[in-house]
Amino acid sequence: DVKVTQSSRYLVKRTGEKVFLECVQDMDHENMFWYRQDPGLGLRLIYFSYDVKMKEKGDIPEGYSVSREKKERFSLILESASTNQTSMYLCASSPTPGQGGDTIYFGEGSWLTVV
Amino acid sequence: AQKITQTQPGMFVQEKEAVTLDCTYDTSDQSYGLFWYKQPSSGEMIFLIYQGSYDEQNATEGRYSLNFQKARKSANLVISASQLGDSAMYFCAPQGAGGGADGLTFGKGTHLIIQP
Repeated sequence: DVKVTQSSRYLVKRTGEKVFLECVQDMDHENMFWYRQDPGLGLRLIYFSYDVKMKEKGDIPEGYSVSREKKERFSLILESASTNQTSMYLCASSPTPGQGGDTIYFGEGSWLTVV
Repeated sequence: AQKITQTQPGMFVQEKEAVTLDCTYDTSDQSYGLFWYKQPSSGEMIFLIYQGSYDEQNATEGRYSLNFQKARKSANLVISASQLGDSAMYFCAPQGAGGGADGLTFGKGTHLIIQP
């Protein structure tokens, strides 16, 4: 089975702190994604990566950066956390780009509270 | 950008009844797919079912099936014989011609509650 693992399930951070959310997948997938999910807004794509050291902005990249030094690991970085970044963050991965039907597999989510 | 509409923010259904969750989408791609995911309260997004735009048959996966009407750009999820464990958020997500590389754009979801 595909396994996408997010290192932290629940975090509480202070405003201004640098926050790292780590994600690891074990299926050798090329593509990895970070979403945030907020009530009433659904899931919104922050960043994605289709190869090591490659990254693309999603719909809401402001205030975030990412790092993909190894194929299996995709990190989301909040350089200076703010209260409006309190949210649930979901990491996902999918296999080689191709025709439709490339299922995207999700981790269990990381609940971040910024106080 | 794709637009996805899930018109039912919440639904209450009696256990064992069938449920239809609505999804309409707006895409200019000729070839695309449509995913449905389930998200229980634990937070994990669980893949349920996929329909390709050129598939002639409606997709089925156990108790899940899609009522796919391509001309109307509609792909409703049908859950037969609902169970208490079906209580969750449900999201539909179209996938464009680029495949999985660009991620999925999700609707805002339907919160389904199955009552005993």
